[in-house]
Amino acid sequence: EVQLVESGGGLVKPGGSLRLSCAASGFTFSSYTMSWVRQAPGKGLEWVSSISSSGSYQFYADSVKGRFTISRENPKNSLYLQMNSLRAEDTAVYYCARGLSGMDVWGQGTTVTVSS
Amino acid sequence: EIVMTQSPATLSVSPGERATLSCRASQSASSNLTWYQQKPGQAPRLLVYGASTRATGIPARFSGSGSGTEFTLTISSLQSEDFAVYYCQQYNNWPLTFGQGTRVEIK
Repeated sequence: EVQLVESGGGLVKPGGSLRLSCAASGFTFSSYTMSWVRQAPGKGLEWVSSISSSGSYQFYADSVKGRFTISRENPKNSLYLQMNSLRAEDTAVYYCARGLSGMDVWGQGTTVTVSS
Repeated sequence: EIVMTQSPATLSVSPGERATLSCRASQSASSNLTWYQQKPGQAPRLLVYGASTRATGIPARFSGSGSGTEFTLTISSLQSEDFAVYYCQQYNNWPLTFGQGTRVEIK
């Protein structure tokens, strides 16, 4: 079964850091661009970041550029999002998704809450 | 940045009726446009990519059309499971951008 499972969310204080992970299974992870998309409570979807299949290219939304870093470990079928200098407005459910031109597989999401 | 604007914000439709959702791009997105469906508490589900190609397993009652700056998602005969929020997203330019969503509710 094709599956993505996120982990690493939680409650963090403003200015703090968190690392999200996404474990992929059921497909050839190393062949796909991967993305992170977030959704603030009661709001719409916001693209956060994408990384090419090899990891050579990374793309970020302006709202997170310089604070978040996307990475992957293909031998471990894993995607990561290192989040630094967190702000209240980063509070959201974070989804990892396969692809970018039609994100066809999504995880269940992990919740990040930034609050003092 | 390409700004995606969806209309209407909420669409009230009776089961069995046709629903037409619009998505407008602030500049050309070519045919690099996807549609997603999201139900409460669930992750989004890919419906259409390339503006008009249905994703695997998506029923034929869902159809996408358009190119450039004007796009449409049509649900030909609404079923009970289709009441949800629908998002368009362009992947023509970085950053990727989503519309704000259209909620399809039961009339």
